[in-house]
Parts: sequence; structure tokens; C-alpha cells
Amino acid sequence: DAGVTQSPTHLIKTRGQQVTLRCSPISGHKSVSWYQQVLGQGPQFIFQYYEKEERGRGNFPDRFSARQFPNYSSELNVNALLLGDSALYLCASSLAGTGGRTDTQYFGPGTRLTVL
Amino acid sequence: AQSVTQLDSHVSVSEGTPVLLRCNYSSSYSPSLFWYVQHPNKGLQLLLKYTSAATLVKGINGFEAEFKKSETSFHLTKPSAHMSDAAEYFCVVYTGANNLFFGTGTRLTVIP
Repeated sequence: DAGVTQSPTHLIKTRGQQVTLRCSPISGHKSVSWYQQVLGQGPQFIFQYYEKEERGRGNFPDRFSARQFPNYSSELNVNALLLGDSALYLCASSLAGTGGRTDTQYFGPGTRLTVL
Repeated sequence: AQSVTQLDSHVSVSEGTPVLLRCNYSSSYSPSLFWYVQHPNKGLQLLLKYTSAATLVKGINGFEAEFKKSETSFHLTKPSAHMSDAAEYFCVVYTGANNLFFGTGTRLTVIP
């Protein structure tokens, strides 16, 4: 079975540009979460979507937005890129999307974004 | 609020010796705790999880962790390190707000 897939693998942008990252969850999973991992740190929660609705949001500015499609895939958009947005962006999918205690999140390989 | 603290940023062991990666948690109720591993240029892989069942949790690749409420700890152990265990390890707590809170990570180096 295919795991969580993300595209592109790597991306280089310049300050002020906009970027869109894509994620396809494990088949049957209805929830997608996005995390930002800055070099040398643990991942930080950005968004969670379930059944196309935002169910959770981390402490990130409004330049970050996301959406989930009817097939449960998801896009993360970042506008007006800053140097500090350079990071590995991870997508995770889970079955129930309830955020429940036993709802395990499975992670994709990530998209490495570099902002110059 | 739920959080975790990983006590060591870097642990170095010889191949074949035991591994101990330390994690303390802070939670106002019985937490759900996880250990994830991240190999270079790869995604995060779940090693094991604790969800208030047995306090000793067995995971993949010979790893296990023990939940100790009295010490607010959830340390990860393995009896014998293998070269393939070299990676970054994250202790994680479910925050109850539809997200996971990650510790800062422990880099495990295995010396041949």
C-alpha cells in the first residue's frame, strides 16, 4: 500500500513569492495535518483538515493557508515568503481525523522549501 | 497544556550496547505519548505509542518505552544498538487539540 506522498520533493523560491505544496493521504484516511520542521528542531503543527474542514490551527500567520479536496488530498499555501519559512514541510494522514488518542498519524517524506 | 522535554540533544553508543533516550512529559491528564524516528532525508516513522493501556509499550525494531506517572517520564530503550538505529528520535505528546507536540529531538549516533 502506498504511504503518504508529497510533492514536490524540493523547492527553491525567493522572498515575497508564493508556494503551494501538495499531499496525498493513505488510502482510506480522511484527515490530513501539516507540520513545519525548521532545521535542528522538532516539527511544529500548522493545520489539520478533516472532511474538507479545518479542525485545528497552530500558531502560524495568515500567510499560511490550506485546503482539503473531496478525494482527501490537501494543499498548503504560503504567501509572501520570508527567509524564515525555509524548512521541511511534513504532511501526515490519519484514519478518523477526530484527533482521538488512538488516531495514529502517518507522515510523508516532506517537501524541502528553501527561500532565498 | 501538554508538552514534552527531551533531556539529551545527542546520545552516542557503541554497537551492541543498550540505548536510553530520555523524555519527560507535562500533562494535566493521562497523556497519549509517542516516539517517532526520522532517518536522514526520510519521513517520520512511528516507533511506538502509549494510550493508557499497559505502561510498558513495545514497538518496532526492538524498541520499548515505559510510562512512569510518578516520574512523568516516557524513556525509550533498546537492549542492543544496531548501526541502522542511527537517526533522530522525537518524543511526542497528543495535545488534545487535534495536533501533536514534538520534543526537540535526540540524535542517536551508533559507533561501530
